[in-house]
Amino acid sequence: EVQLVESGGGLVQPGGSLRLSCAASGFTFSNFWMYWVRQAPGSGLEWVANINQDGGEKYYVDSVKGRFTISRDNAKNSLYLQMNRLRAEDTAVYYCARISGPFRKYYFDYWGQGTLVTVSS
Amino acid sequence: QSVLTQPPSVSGAPGQRVTISCTGSSSNIGAGYDVHWYQQVPGTVPKLLIYGNNNRPSGVPDRFSGSKSGTSASLAITGLQAEDEADYYCQSYDSSLSGSVFGGGTKLTVL
Repeated sequence: EVQLVESGGGLVQPGGSLRLSCAASGFTFSNFWMYWVRQAPGSGLEWVANINQDGGEKYYVDSVKGRFTISRDNAKNSLYLQMNRLRAEDTAVYYCARISGPFRKYYFDYWGQGTLVTVSS
Repeated sequence: QSVLTQPPSVSGAPGQRVTISCTGSSSNIGAGYDVHWYQQVPGTVPKLLIYGNNNRPSGVPDRFSGSKSGTSASLAITGLQAEDEADYYCQSYDSSLSGSVFGGGTKLTVL
């Protein structure tokens, strides 16, 4: 059974940092692109960052470029999101998600339960 | 503002048919990239409903169907049931962003 379990969320002051983790199991982690998707309270879904199978390709939504870093450790079946210089507008539930399907036609077939990040003083 | 545009809300009575539209542009839906749909009951994780424009994962009732034409796509739900009340999101790939994009979501109310 595919499982994605996020951790690392919490309350942080503006300008602070957090590192999210996602532990994957039930599939060959190193074979899949992985994503972080977030959902602000009462809002829709937003792609944050993605990373290819070996970590050599990474892409970010403009609003987090230069502040967030996505990474993975295939030996540990884990995905990470280092979030620096956090802002109030980064407050959201952050989901780790696996994609499946053809290149550029992929979809999110498995999601973690999410971890809440609250940026507030 | 989301890259893909959906109506904020739709409603229908039990047994009726409703459709939810999703409008994109030449860098996403119009470029030929597939559209996928997710259902999210408030407080829960999004669930894949339709993939590859019109395919249902195992376990999704055939009351749900998808279509795509040009720069737009639609999700149709027939035989509305109370349990269908949820938020629905479309998703595609955007070549100008090198990542996935979502619609803003549509809240379905079953009257």
